[in-house]
Amino acid sequence: AQSVTQLDSQVPVFEEAPVELRCNYSSSVSVYLFWYVQYPNQGLQLLLKYLSGSTLVKGINGFEAEFNKSQTSFHLRKPSVHISDTAEYFCAVSDSQGGSEKLVFGKGTKLTVNP
Amino acid sequence: EAGVVQSPRYKIIEKKQPVAFWCNPISGHNTLYWYLQNLGQGPELLIRYENEEAVDDSQLPKDRFSAERLKGVDSTLKIQPAELGDSAVYLCASSLMFGAGAYNEQFFGPGTRLTVL
Repeated sequence: AQSVTQLDSQVPVFEEAPVELRCNYSSSVSVYLFWYVQYPNQGLQLLLKYLSGSTLVKGINGFEAEFNKSQTSFHLRKPSVHISDTAEYFCAVSDSQGGSEKLVFGKGTKLTVNP
Repeated sequence: EAGVVQSPRYKIIEKKQPVAFWCNPISGHNTLYWYLQNLGQGPELLIRYENEEAVDDSQLPKDRFSAERLKGVDSTLKIQPAELGDSAVYLCASSLMFGAGAYNEQFFGPGTRLTVL
């Protein structure tokens, strides 16, 4: 069974500062990894995904993440955040052998960007 | 193209009452998911349908929860009777499944926020 740990429940940053949201996963099989964003009163939107290949993946809105197999991590980064990036961010994992049907989510990290 | 549609967006009921949520997936998507999102938590899968068939309902509390997707398109999730602990957001998602082992992106609806008093 897979599990996801998001190490920070809340991350406050100032506008234009860099940010890193941390995610570690546990799995006995090879995985797909995802970051989703949830704005208030909205559903989840896929930011980026790692399926295979290059360990550095780029997503929408200037976000990127790096898959580190030895550290079982998939941290999300953005070099300069905007007020509009204020949202909740979820890391998720699925079994790459069985497909992406069963997503296991972390508890989320609330990013607050202050002016 | 319309996204995943859910209704109602908000529902307030008293405990022991029944409640139902409706989801219309993206046109052509054969796989539909219902997730439960408690406050401060990530979504947890309740049930997954491939067409009309519920292929994973292992996390659905079957004593009070039921779901159906009769024609393989839209779906209804029901709780009867509701308990205080059922207060949460119920998310629906859909995907177009090409085959086992392939990546099939899930698209999420806005959710229904249930409050049980």
